[in-house]
Amino acid sequence: EVQLVESGGGLVQPGGSLRLSCAASGFTFKSYEMNWVRQAPGKGLEWVSYITASGGTTFYADSVKGRFTISRDNAQYSLSLQMTSLSPEDTAVYYCVRERASAGGVEFDYWGQGMLVTVSS
Amino acid sequence: DIQMTQSPSSLSASVGDRVTITCRASQAINTYLNWYQQQPGKAPRLLIFAASNLESGVPSRFSGSGSGTDFTLTISSLQPEDFATYYCQQTSSTLYSFGQGTKLEIK
Repeated sequence: EVQLVESGGGLVQPGGSLRLSCAASGFTFKSYEMNWVRQAPGKGLEWVSYITASGGTTFYADSVKGRFTISRDNAQYSLSLQMTSLSPEDTAVYYCVRERASAGGVEFDYWGQGMLVTVSS
Repeated sequence: DIQMTQSPSSLSASVGDRVTITCRASQAINTYLNWYQQQPGKAPRLLIFAASNLESGVPSRFSGSGSGTDFTLTISSLQPEDFATYYCQQTSSTLYSFGQGTKLEIK
């Protein structure tokens, strides 16, 4: 069974930093691209970041570029998101998401349960 | 960046109704379009991928269509468990983006 379990969330002050982790199991982690998606309270979904299976290529939403860093450890079946210079606008539930490639493109087929990050003084 | 616009933003319907949600992309995305369902307090669930392909385990009352810039998600006969929020997503650009969501409520 595929499982994605986020950890590391919580309350942080504006300007602070936080590192989210995602523990993957039930599939060959090194074979899949991975993403982070967030959802502010009462709002819609926002794609945050992407990393290739090897970890060699990353992309970021404009809203987090230069502040967030996605990384992975394929040996440990782990995905991370290092977040710096946090502002209240970064308050959200953060989801770790597996990306599946199909003949018609790519889709997000498995999602973690989500981890709340609150940025407040 | 590609912008995704869903309509309507909210919709009231009854059990048994046929419902259609529309998603429009700001530029052509071929069929690189997915649909997700999100229940309150839960993670999203993949329903439709590549515009018209039903994800395994998803009831056949869900269907998707479209290509280019205009797409639809149709639920042929609403069931109580279908009242949720629906999102479209484009994966044509590596800067993936979602629509703002459509909240489907019970009339």
